[in-house]
Amino acid sequence: DGGITQSPKYLFRKEGQNVTLSCEQNLNHDAMYWYRQDPGQGLRLIYYSQIVNDFQKGDIAEGYSVSREKKESFPLTVTSAQKNPTAFYLCASSPGQGKVTQYFGPGTRLLVL
Amino acid sequence: GENVEQHPSTLSVQEGDSAVIKCTYSDSASNYFPWYKQELGKGPQLIIDIRSNVGEKKDQRIAVTLNKTAKHFSLHITETQPEDSAVYFCAAVKAQKLVFGQGTRLTINP
Repeated sequence: DGGITQSPKYLFRKEGQNVTLSCEQNLNHDAMYWYRQDPGQGLRLIYYSQIVNDFQKGDIAEGYSVSREKKESFPLTVTSAQKNPTAFYLCASSPGQGKVTQYFGPGTRLLVL
Repeated sequence: GENVEQHPSTLSVQEGDSAVIKCTYSDSASNYFPWYKQELGKGPQLIIDIRSNVGEKKDQRIAVTLNKTAKHFSLHITETQPEDSAVYFCAAVKAQKLVFGQGTRLTINP
């Protein structure tokens, strides 16, 4: 079964704690993306990576960090510097090499305790 | 940068009627326009897309039109069904980055 998986489905963060959201894809896509979605709003780009070992900041990168050590994986860390982390986080991938259609995972909902 | 405006924010139609959602974009260099459907608590699902060299594309009950001169594109759903109820997002792509509209909550009334 090909696709994008995100885990966990729900995640709780305590004050001052860093948490990491997982995103894995077996579509052999080059590019991967992280978006944040707040209630009743559109998606905003946090970070993206067009190739392994390279990534760029999106529109709202402050308080977040990523890594891209493997083609299949693009984990997102929400650091304690992100003061308003409660949101729905969505990972996406696209084939790259001129093919720009993005496919989304099921999302992780992050809640602050 | 690119800016995408989407209207209306909510839309309610009777089952069997048509629904139309409209988006405008600001950057004439944008060349790819996907539409996504998002059900509650799930990730967005691509339902149709159009490239800038095409004016219209249809897939069964769903169609998208693009007016490059006016920089706007629209989603048309005909013969609406209860399962069409969801939030719909338009987006514009430039340099492999998606910029989303704010979404339209579509409700199909039986």
